[in-house]
Amino acid sequence: QVQLQQWGAGLLKPAETLSLTCAVFGGSFSGYHWSWIRQPPGKGLEWIGEVKDTGSSTHDPSLRSRATISLDTSKNQFSLKLSSVTAADTAVYYCARGQRPGGSSSRWFDPWGQGILVTVSS
Amino acid sequence: QSVLTQSPSASGTPGQRVSMSCSGSYSNIGSNTVNWYQQLPGTAPKLLIYINNQRPSGVPDRFSGSKSGTSASLAISGLQSEDEADYYCATWDDSLNGQVFGGGTKLTVL
Repeated sequence: QVQLQQWGAGLLKPAETLSLTCAVFGGSFSGYHWSWIRQPPGKGLEWIGEVKDTGSSTHDPSLRSRATISLDTSKNQFSLKLSSVTAADTAVYYCARGQRPGGSSSRWFDPWGQGILVTVSS
Repeated sequence: QSVLTQSPSASGTPGQRVSMSCSGSYSNIGSNTVNWYQQLPGTAPKLLIYINNQRPSGVPDRFSGSKSGTSASLAISGLQSEDEADYYCATWDDSLNGQVFGGGTKLTVL
């Protein structure tokens, strides 16, 4: 059974770069969309972006290219970097494995990492 | 404001059947499959329904999903106290070129 374990810094100052890593245990990268999703305190879920097993990545346009998502198959890990953070980036960040059916672009996410609260404060 | 619209809250008593809706548009629900997640307090979301109406292994058949046009719904029958959670719908939006979530429905078991 695939499990995801994530880590990274939990407290940042404005303008710094958020850096999180997610390790994949018990499965391969092939055929999946490795994703990052965040949840601001008391709010709903927001898709940040994904990296495919090929290494190609995409992110939500609202992040204005601040997000970089990459894959390291040799370590069975994928990572998120988010530059120039502000208080609006304060959230619990989750990594997740995405799959999509034929004929639809919608991904379903399963499993999820445990989540990390990242706080941006001066 | 979320691209997919969910009622903020729903409630029911143990044993009841409750349903919640997720409303979108042609570019998202109208063109792609819908997934549902359950988030218990203080925990990561858990996949509940995928491809509109499929249940992952381990999800009780009390949970069911459906989709029609630009709307989807999640129904829970035989409501139990442990079903008290936030429920999110999600799909892909072809116009935004990204995955979108509803704002979530908070289910209270009275």
